[in-house]
Amino acid sequence: GIQVEQSPPDLILQEGANSTLRCNFSDSVNNLQWFHQNPWGQLINLFYIPSGTKQNGRLSATTVATERYSLLYISSSQTTDSGVYFCAVTYSGAGSYQLTFGKGTKLSVIP
Amino acid sequence: SQTIHQWPATLVQPVGSPLSLECTVEGTSNPNLYWYRQAAGRGLQLLFYSVGIGQISSEVPQNLSASRPQDRQFILSSKKLLLSDSGFYLCAWSVGGSYSGNTIYFGEGSWLTVV
Repeated sequence: GIQVEQSPPDLILQEGANSTLRCNFSDSVNNLQWFHQNPWGQLINLFYIPSGTKQNGRLSATTVATERYSLLYISSSQTTDSGVYFCAVTYSGAGSYQLTFGKGTKLSVIP
Repeated sequence: SQTIHQWPATLVQPVGSPLSLECTVEGTSNPNLYWYRQAAGRGLQLLFYSVGIGQISSEVPQNLSASRPQDRQFILSSKKLLLSDSGFYLCAWSVGGSYSGNTIYFGEGSWLTVV
């Protein structure tokens, strides 16, 4: 199956700092999403971005499908950004419904 | 707008007892529905998905089963829980159809502890 690798696994930031999270995937995809899992466990959609660039406030994401990676940028981090960030993809092979998750990046933003 | 709800939010069950987790989606018709499990704090694994009433596909062999008795209702069940069934269970939905490249939305999750 398709492999998804996220880096770094853990990240500690001072409030106000910027960061880049990376997601590498091993095959062609037709779905790539970034999620933020909050301390209560809820998975919150950040971006649906199988290709291109999107921005939403302090967050932006870029996926280069031909090179099989995606980046999530967090600018001016806040303590509420803490949690685990997941990248998830669906292989573009016919009939695939499985959203394959990376192991996540655990972000801790300290005041 | 579409919403997804699942319950109960938390439960503690003894080994060997039955399980029923329920999920409903509102504001859409014929969605694709999913059950995921997250164990040990990270990494989500797809357990079941459904593209229509009565249509269930299982991704991994396990002690659990799923049913879709109505278009927007998805139920995760077990007849006899094992300790290894403990984890965080998440229901999810996406726009229906055969195309898998759609945004997937997750419910609030259910924490299951088997003791």
